Amino acid sequence: QKEVEQNSGPLSVPEGAIASLNCTYSDRGSQSFFWYRQYSGKSPELIMFIYSNGDKEDGRFTAQLNKASQYVSLLIRDSQPSDSATYLCAVNMEPPLNSGGSNYKLTFGKGTLLTVNP
Amino acid sequence: ETGVTQSPTHLIKTRGQQVTLRCSSQSGHNTVSWYQQALGQGPQFIFQYYREEENGRGNFPPRFSGLQFPNYSSELNVNALELDDSALYLCASRSSGGLYNEQFFGPGTRLTVL
Repeated sequence: QKEVEQNSGPLSVPEGAIASLNCTYSDRGSQSFFWYRQYSGKSPELIMFIYSNGDKEDGRFTAQLNKASQYVSLLIRDSQPSDSATYLCAVNMEPPLNSGGSNYKLTFGKGTLLTVNP
Repeated sequence: ETGVTQSPTHLIKTRGQQVTLRCSSQSGHNTVSWYQQALGQGPQFIFQYYREEENGRGNFPPRFSGLQFPNYSSELNVNALELDDSALYLCASRSSGGLYNEQFFGPGTRLTVL
């Protein structure tokens, strides 16, 4: 059973602080990794994806991947109240270079609820 | 908002009934996936459709079935509804080919089984 584990939280940080969200996965064959944000009552929206070991930065967000430790994280700098949401980690067995019709099954964790306090 | 639409928004059914959920993919997207998200859980992959054929399936029984039409829209059918089928059903579409293509989720259909 392929699993993706996340701390359910809630994780509470003050406005302006760095929020650190963590995720581990069980299948060493996983090749692509995603962070989604889901506001209450809404559908998930993609924040970042990463497929190489190391860090990937996009604005206030940094994704970190360590395949040897089967660990992926998301850092949110200068956290804002609007960042308050559930953050979902997802993994995929497919490489990022996908062909038509490739199986795009994403395995999600349960999500971490983040609250940013003003 | 993404260009993926789903209908209906909410639905209430009773145990044993059948339900059909609909999804219109974003323009240019030919691959559609369906996910089930129970309360407090992450989405679980049900199946994927590409060129009108199912080409990937998660751990769901055969009473979960689907269709994809020539315009790439899709349906999810669930027979013999059970209480545990109560969940948010998400449709996601993407294009195929090339380096990583983002998958866009629709707003979801909230199904309640009584």
